[in-house]
Parts: sequence; structure tokens; C-alpha cells
Amino acid sequence: QVQLVESGGGVVQPGGSLRLSCIASGFTFSNYGMHWVRQAPGKGLEWVAFIRFDGINEYYADSVEGRFTISRDDSTNTLYLQMNSVRAEDTAVYYCAKAPSGGFDYMDVWGRGTTVTVSS
Amino acid sequence: SYELTQPPSVSVSPGQTARITCSGDALAKKKYGYWYQQKSGQAPVLVIYEDNKRPSGIPERFSGAISGTMATLTISGAQVEDEADYYCYSKDSSENPLFGGGTKLTVL
Repeated sequence: QVQLVESGGGVVQPGGSLRLSCIASGFTFSNYGMHWVRQAPGKGLEWVAFIRFDGINEYYADSVEGRFTISRDDSTNTLYLQMNSVRAEDTAVYYCAKAPSGGFDYMDVWGRGTTVTVSS
Repeated sequence: SYELTQPPSVSVSPGQTARITCSGDALAKKKYGYWYQQKSGQAPVLVIYEDNKRPSGIPERFSGAISGTMATLTISGAQVEDEADYYCYSKDSSENPLFGGGTKLTVL
């Protein structure tokens, strides 16, 4: 079955960097668009970034544009989120989620998430 | 920029019908509505897509509808296991994903 497993979370200082990974299995990863979505403690869901199946187009929320980069490696079925210049407000559980198609579509399957804490 | 507005909480007794609303201009602009269920400490799960379709494995008691600028998630005969946070989803004026603020459903 479709499975998404995130890793790479942890504690990072303000202004620092962190790279999150999401390993996909159970489907042909290269055919599908992928999202990152986050949830701050006690808050709702916030979409972060999306990458098309072919990696040609990337889309970002205004809150992370210019600081975060989404990428993918189809040879290892891995989605990444490079987080630079992090801020306290980036503290959240980060979920990767699969789109039902290759394009900029909704999320049909989610991983269990990895926790990022920005603190000095 | 569009927003999606949900009531913070809804409470029903087991077996009753729960209705959770989501309002916003995005829903009237031919943009589909979607609903996610998130149980405590778990990842979100898609329960309704493209306004009123159920993914495989989602019980028939879950249904969705849309009228004008409002989408409604209906749980007919709510069960204790349906207690969760529910989020509606659509796209904003820039075509970026947009979530509602979430509704905590209590079934007791």
C-alpha cells in the first residue's frame, strides 16, 4: 500500500538550516506530484510547498518563499524540503503528502510527519 | 485572497447527524471542496474529494455537498470513532492550496 515516511526533523537554532526527507513506497513515485504541509503546535494545517511529477515546477507558500526549497530524487523515491534561515514560527510537524496526479492537485495520502523545533 | 471559515467546534450524540460547514468565496469559483479528518496525534486522512466523492475505505456515513460559497460535510449517524478535527480544503485566488481553520467534532 502507499506509504510515506518522513525524517530529518529535530531542534534547530533560529537562522539555521535543516533538510527533511520523505521516502515513498507502494506507488510509482515519479508519476505523482508531492506536497509538504505543516502544523504548528495546537494549530491548523498550512500548506508549505509542492513539486510536480517532473520536477519542472515548484510552488511555495508566501511564508516560506525564498527560504525553503522542495526537491525530489526519483531514483530513490525521496522527497526533500531544504529549510534555510528558519524562524521560531517554522516550528511545526511537517507532513509530506502525495497528490492523486502529476499536477498541482490536492493531497490524497499523507505521511505521519516529522517534528521541527526552532529554538535557541 | 480567499479564506475558508469553519466553526471551531461541533458536538453531537452518538447516532445523530453531524454537519460541519466551510464557507468562502473560493468554493463559488468552480474550485472543488475537500475534507480531511485528523484524529488526535495522527496524520490527516482524506474523507471527501471533489465536493462529494468518498475515497475507498471511507464509510458511507460520510458525505459532502456544496452550494454557492458553502461546503458541508455530513456524518450521518456519527460514531464515537468519528471524533476528530476536520479541515476543509480548496484553493486560493493564486491557485495555492488553502485549508480552513478546522472544526473539532465531539461525539458523546
